[in-house]
Amino acid sequence: DARVTQTPRDKVTEMGQEVTMRCQPILGHNTVFWYRQTMMQGLELLAYFRNRAPLDDSGMPKDRFSAEMPDATLATLKIQPSEPRDSAVYFCASGLSRVGGRDTQYFGPGTRLTVL
Amino acid sequence: KNQVEQSPQSLIILEGKNCTLQCNYTVSPFSNLRWYKQDTGRGPVSLTIMTFSENTKSNGRYTATLDADTKQSSLHITASQLSDSASYICVARGGNTPLVFGKGTRLSVIA
Repeated sequence: DARVTQTPRDKVTEMGQEVTMRCQPILGHNTVFWYRQTMMQGLELLAYFRNRAPLDDSGMPKDRFSAEMPDATLATLKIQPSEPRDSAVYFCASGLSRVGGRDTQYFGPGTRLTVL
Repeated sequence: KNQVEQSPQSLIILEGKNCTLQCNYTVSPFSNLRWYKQDTGRGPVSLTIMTFSENTKSNGRYTATLDADTKQSSLHITASQLSDSASYICVARGGNTPLVFGKGTRLSVIA
């Protein structure tokens, strides 16, 4: 049963600290998405990769957030320095890109980040 | 502006009853519309994906409809079960945007 895995599941940190979240997409998937979910805003797309290349990171605050895919089995989302307003659940999702954009995205369990 | 509006925000129904959730979207050009189910503390799970040429799609007790002319979609749940308690998220995809998410409808099914 292939699944997207994310680590850590929970992270509590102090304002100003660096936070790195990791995601292992489902083997064979060629798209990876990072989302942030809060009660107020719902789900927001932060970054989107296809075949490890970043296609869209317009939803990501560039001054403090960065997303990378060092290889096909690992995606990272880094916040430096973290701020209390970054507190949210961060989801990674992977999928197999199809013509017409009908790829199903499979979500990981999320990383709950709390910045004090 | 690309956006997705869902109603109601929350809903409580008795086990065994049917319910319908609504979604209005303004995404252009439109590519497809998705419904996700998100259990508390978990990531969303895809229920249906429909393109503009599809009017209805079913997944077990879940039936989604799409009217591309009025830019409306609905998700109908038949014979609800306690396990249907979750948030249901409507998502529209445009030609140049990955995905536009609604804020969800929180459904509670009670015995």
